[in-house]
Amino acid sequence: GNSVTQMEGPVTLSEEAFLTINCTYTATGYPSLFWYVQYPGEGLQLLLKATKADDKGSNKGFEATYRKETTSFHLEKGSVQVSDSAVYFCALSPTGANSKLTFGKGITLSVRP
Amino acid sequence: DAEITQSPRHKITETGRQVTLACHQTWNHNNMFWYRQDLGHGLRLIHYSYGVHDTNKGEVSDGYSVSRSNTEDLPLTLESAASSQTSVYFCASSDQSTGELFFGEGSRLTVL
Repeated sequence: GNSVTQMEGPVTLSEEAFLTINCTYTATGYPSLFWYVQYPGEGLQLLLKATKADDKGSNKGFEATYRKETTSFHLEKGSVQVSDSAVYFCALSPTGANSKLTFGKGITLSVRP
Repeated sequence: DAEITQSPRHKITETGRQVTLACHQTWNHNNMFWYRQDLGHGLRLIHYSYGVHDTNKGEVSDGYSVSRSNTEDLPLTLESAASSQTSVYFCASSDQSTGELFFGEGSRLTVL
């Protein structure tokens, strides 16, 4: 079956530090890949996505590249801010109109001033 | 703007009581989902629906039921609440063409 594995957390960084959050997946075919973010007290919202191999999704300074050869979709940001403190979820959706998303367990990022 | 709303946002109930969590979306999406979020488990799928009168079990469906009588609503019912069902519940709907999920703000349920 499909699965998503995220690195263990939580992660604590100082403001302006470089961020990498690892995500690897197992799926058949060519899934779409997503990063969702959950700010405190809120629901999840889409941060970025990639729908095919070598695509790079980007938003709010975050980037992730769909690497089929390593089945990975690592999230990076060059300089984190306090406002980036949140829980980050990696997810995949198999191909097909009625596909369900499979989520990783999420990782909490805390950025200190 | 289109949105997805959940109610109540917070609920405290007792073991054995029936509880219904409401979910209403104005995206006109056919696909709707209920997840629960627990520390150490991430998001787990409870039930989902691909359209009116369609319902399907997810990975943690025991003790929960849903019904879909129209496009906009997918209420989640706990027939007899248990303490193990204390959690934060999220409803979501998805764009069929992209698979992107749109989430509600969550309902925090405490079962005493």
